[in-house]
Amino acid sequence: DAKTTQPPSMDCAEGRAANLPCNHSTISGNEYVYWYRQIHSQGPQYIIHGLKNNETNEMASLIITEDRKSSTLILPHATLRDTAVYYCIVDSNSGYALNFGKGTSLLVTP
Amino acid sequence: KAGVTQTPRYLIKTRGQQVTLSCSPISGHRSVSWYQQTPGQGLQFLFEYFSETQRNKGNFPGRFSGRQFSNSRSEMNVSTLELGDSALYLCASSLSTGGALYTQYFGPGTRLTVL
Repeated sequence: DAKTTQPPSMDCAEGRAANLPCNHSTISGNEYVYWYRQIHSQGPQYIIHGLKNNETNEMASLIITEDRKSSTLILPHATLRDTAVYYCIVDSNSGYALNFGKGTSLLVTP
Repeated sequence: KAGVTQTPRYLIKTRGQQVTLSCSPISGHRSVSWYQQTPGQGLQFLFEYFSETQRNKGNFPGRFSGRQFSNSRSEMNVSTLELGDSALYLCASSLSTGGALYTQYFGPGTRLTVL
């Protein structure tokens, strides 16, 4: 079973920030939080990852709570092309056997 | 840098046949993982290869097998195909040198249909 809990679906207006929550209350000290997304019928795409600190890259920001039991992926200015299923994954340094769970289906509307 | 490539992109087979799928990782990546994606079960891990050795295996029957070559290219084989093997098969590669460098980069997948 996945170690994370995500809402099954969310909507966001184009141009607004999309905030996708993830609960990982059983995360271990050596486990990273990864975010991937999958646009329909394509392979998953890596977005961002973090261990303890908040992270930002050209695609998104990742906010991890101080107790590391939850995190939020932020897409600052969502576009229609951001419509996808977003997966929050916790994983130790093994990394190669990701447990994707069901993810959050994000719909960005005009 | 070229991404992960998978061939063929689409495949139609009949029950009982066997199939081989191919994956070429990103240059310099030594780890290749395979996943099966179906509407009912989602994305499920099949197995992972590193330096021609299988390091980890998911919960799939022995009909599913794979191998990795010295150039890191990988193949997976499914024998005695069943209708339930119809799925999108995804390959991912990573540097696999520790820490967050296990980030995986996925190919476009091979869509297998079993009739």
